[in-house]
Amino acid sequence: AQKITQTQPGMFVQEKEAVTLDCTYDTSDQSYGLFWYKQPSSGEMIFLIYQGSYDEQNATEGRYSLNFQKARKSANLVISASQLGDSAMYFCAMREFFGNEKLTFGTGTRLTIIP
Amino acid sequence: GAVVSQHPSWVICKSGTSVKIECRSLDFQATTMFWYRQFPKQSLMLMATSNEGSKATYEQGVEKDKFLINHASLTLSTLTVTSAHPEDSSFYICSARRAAETQYFGPGTRLLVL
Repeated sequence: AQKITQTQPGMFVQEKEAVTLDCTYDTSDQSYGLFWYKQPSSGEMIFLIYQGSYDEQNATEGRYSLNFQKARKSANLVISASQLGDSAMYFCAMREFFGNEKLTFGTGTRLTIIP
Repeated sequence: GAVVSQHPSWVICKSGTSVKIECRSLDFQATTMFWYRQFPKQSLMLMATSNEGSKATYEQGVEKDKFLINHASLTLSTLTVTSAHPEDSSFYICSARRAAETQYFGPGTRLLVL
């Protein structure tokens, strides 16, 4: 069974600083995908970044980068130059490549950016 | 990014009534859609996987007779909460898989059963 662990229930970060949100995972699959989603107070889930298990380079999308350490089974999200609009819940998720390819989510981290 | 819509965004209903929630992929075809439920301050829990033209696959513990899912076309899946009760009050959110990697989520539907 797959499992996603986010150990930081909440974080406070000063505006313009970088922040790292932790995510570790457990799977016996060799092929899998890792995702980060942002959920603001409105409730919508916003896709941020994706990393495939066979991708050799860390994924980057604008201010978001994924620090993928396969041996450690970690997929931390790094947000550079944080902005007030980054305040939200952040969920790490994993998708198996076989079966129905469903996403398994972590418990989330509530990020608050302080002006 | 891809656009997924949900309707309605808010539902308040009396106990015992049925509520239908629609999930549409607006600019792509989705052979697979997913329905999640999220209670306050908790993570998303997958309820079922909806495949176009076939029966939905429900997660363990989810009553298929209570949560009816219909995926009639490549752009539309519906979730019907039958005989809703206060404990069914939650945030229901769908997602549609566009490509091999990414699921795009709808804006969610908040259901309050009185």
